[in-house]
Amino acid sequence: EAGVAQSPRYKIIEKRQSVAFWCNPISGHATLYWYQQILGQGPKLLIQFQNNGVVDDSQLPKDRFSAERLKGVDSTLKIQPAKLEDSAVYLCASSSTGTGVYNEQFFGPGTRLTVL
Amino acid sequence: GENVEQHPSTLSVQEGDSAVIKCTYSDSASNYFPWYKQELGKGPQLIIDIRSNVGEKKDQRIAVTLNKTAKHFSLHITETQPEDSAVYFCAAYMDSNYQLIWGAGTKLIIKP
Repeated sequence: EAGVAQSPRYKIIEKRQSVAFWCNPISGHATLYWYQQILGQGPKLLIQFQNNGVVDDSQLPKDRFSAERLKGVDSTLKIQPAKLEDSAVYLCASSSTGTGVYNEQFFGPGTRLTVL
Repeated sequence: GENVEQHPSTLSVQEGDSAVIKCTYSDSASNYFPWYKQELGKGPQLIIDIRSNVGEKKDQRIAVTLNKTAKHFSLHITETQPEDSAVYFCAAYMDSNYQLIWGAGTKLIIKP
């Protein structure tokens, strides 16, 4: 089966610019996650979707970050305006069933964002 | 808040030797502990997991042990090979908010 797809793989922008990342999860996976991974650290959950509804966005900096998952499939994560500290790898993951169940998360290759 | 501590941050072992990575967690209600391997330029991939009703689990050269009383768990890799070189992450699942809390990672280097 095809894995989680993400694009672009790399992005370089100036601070205060905007950027968007796209994720296509594994077919049939109801749960989708966006993580931020700063160099040398573990992934930090930004937002979790169950189908097209938000389950948890408590760590999403909502003044500059937004995410949507229209139709419960693809998802887009946006940053506007970007700050230097947003430089990181943004990982998308998906899992097969809903919250409260221990399901394996399958990760995409990530988008490496550099903010200059 | 809840956290997972992982040690060491870097581990260098001779090919063929064993490697052990240790993690401790703070949420006593955690019941699921996966280990992920991340190779350069790729996303993390699950390699083994353990649930709180089990003390040890093995899969070929990889094993994980769990001590719920002490709130720590460990990854053991035997007969290490060059392809084991990667960053390894432990995580603990929080039943209270359905989140995985991740450790900071261990860079494993296998010396030929």
